[in-house]
Amino acid sequence: AQKITQTQPGMFVQEKEAVTLDCTYDTSDPSYGLFWYKQPSSGEMIFLIYQGSYDQQNATEGRYSLNFQKARKSANLVISASQLGDSAMYFCAMRERKNDYKLSFGAGTTVTVRA
Amino acid sequence: NAGVTQTPKFRVLKTGQSMTLLCAQDMNHEYMYWYRQDPGMGLRLIHYSVGEGTTAKGEVPDGYNVSRLKKQNFLLGLESAAPSQTSVYFCASSRGYEQYFGPGTRLTVT
Repeated sequence: AQKITQTQPGMFVQEKEAVTLDCTYDTSDPSYGLFWYKQPSSGEMIFLIYQGSYDQQNATEGRYSLNFQKARKSANLVISASQLGDSAMYFCAMRERKNDYKLSFGAGTTVTVRA
Repeated sequence: NAGVTQTPKFRVLKTGQSMTLLCAQDMNHEYMYWYRQDPGMGLRLIHYSVGEGTTAKGEVPDGYNVSRLKKQNFLLGLESAAPSQTSVYFCASSRGYEQYFGPGTRLTVT
């Protein structure tokens, strides 16, 4: 069964607008973590934001925020005030304590920011 | 402090040839991982290690072997390369919750 589902293959967003990238996950482990990574065209994997399963508040890192809805098993990434440099592939990932903290990745969402 | 480095960055192999990819980290991390990324897909875990001298299978281990003789190094071997192993390979290491990725190795098997 797919652990991480990203249903949006590609999205376009206007510069300075906000964009929400969807991510749903599946786990029975009460201890897990959710991540978002950015992969620009250069290929490196850049860590953006982390949310632990026991964290009470949604994680935020600068222009990135994670909308964590535990009951719905959803961990959407919100990028505010989009910039041209935000054009990239974005991956949602999960690690579970019961699985040696291995990361399971979604298929990714390509974001293209238009001027 | 170089973080996670991978050698080589690019490689072309012929079917049946063997090679070893080297991953090195200078952060004294216990956990190390090898992933592959194919077009249109997220990263898939090949093998991983939870400490020096240990290795374990990930999601797609067939056709690969690994070794972790030293804490800072994690080697990925292809004994007999196949075109299906054409991919970008990423190494990562972690101690806490965050995984630090290397720059990737682009491997083409013809």
